[in-house]
Amino acid sequence: NAGVTQTPKFQVLKTGQSMTLQCAQDMNHNSMYWYRQDPGMGLRLIYYSASEGTTDKGEVPNGYNVSRLNKREFSLRLESAAPSQTSVYFCASRVVSRTEAFFGQGTRLTVV
Amino acid sequence: QQQVKQSPQSLIVQKGGISIINCAYENTAFDYFPWYQQFPGKGPALLIAIRPDVSEKKEGRFTISFNKSAKQFSLHIMDSQPGDSATYFCAASIGGSGNTGKLIFGQGTTLQVKP
Repeated sequence: NAGVTQTPKFQVLKTGQSMTLQCAQDMNHNSMYWYRQDPGMGLRLIYYSASEGTTDKGEVPNGYNVSRLNKREFSLRLESAAPSQTSVYFCASRVVSRTEAFFGQGTRLTVV
Repeated sequence: QQQVKQSPQSLIVQKGGISIINCAYENTAFDYFPWYQQFPGKGPALLIAIRPDVSEKKEGRFTISFNKSAKQFSLHIMDSQPGDSATYFCAASIGGSGNTGKLIFGQGTTLQVKP
């Protein structure tokens, strides 16, 4: 049981490049989330998907787009990366009837 | 606007001592308050959580104290061990039917327990 799997684990991008962060969970969870973690800021919600077929903005959605491909997969896309998007990105999932969220191992992204 | 404020930013405790991390929140609609533990290179993992209908919850060496009137809650780690060295995040969310499970996190506390 892998839980929440994120790929890639590390990535360096040049300003203006685009990329997609992948997230997949094998726990049959309904809801999925993308957070970014920055020093002194905790984790901030970028986008979430309460259920398959729905997505909504979180606290810091600017510069990002998401796709809930199916129940298992939730991807985060940076269309034109900026240095301010240098961060560690975490995907999480949960079952609607439970409160606990399970996090992936994170993707460390550096934009130069 | 930081809806959940956490302090201290860093904490050094001797082995066997008590570690205390504090959080304060603003939104009285919050009704679920978890603490997450994160080791370097790993994602956060749920440590312990509380709802506002109780003032304290204990799981092993970890205790959450909750003060609803003051809108504050804290994590106490008794008999702190070097293996407890990690970053701790408090969080809050709004529950109820149809809840989205969105978590609002505090800024994090880096705990170092010295042998």
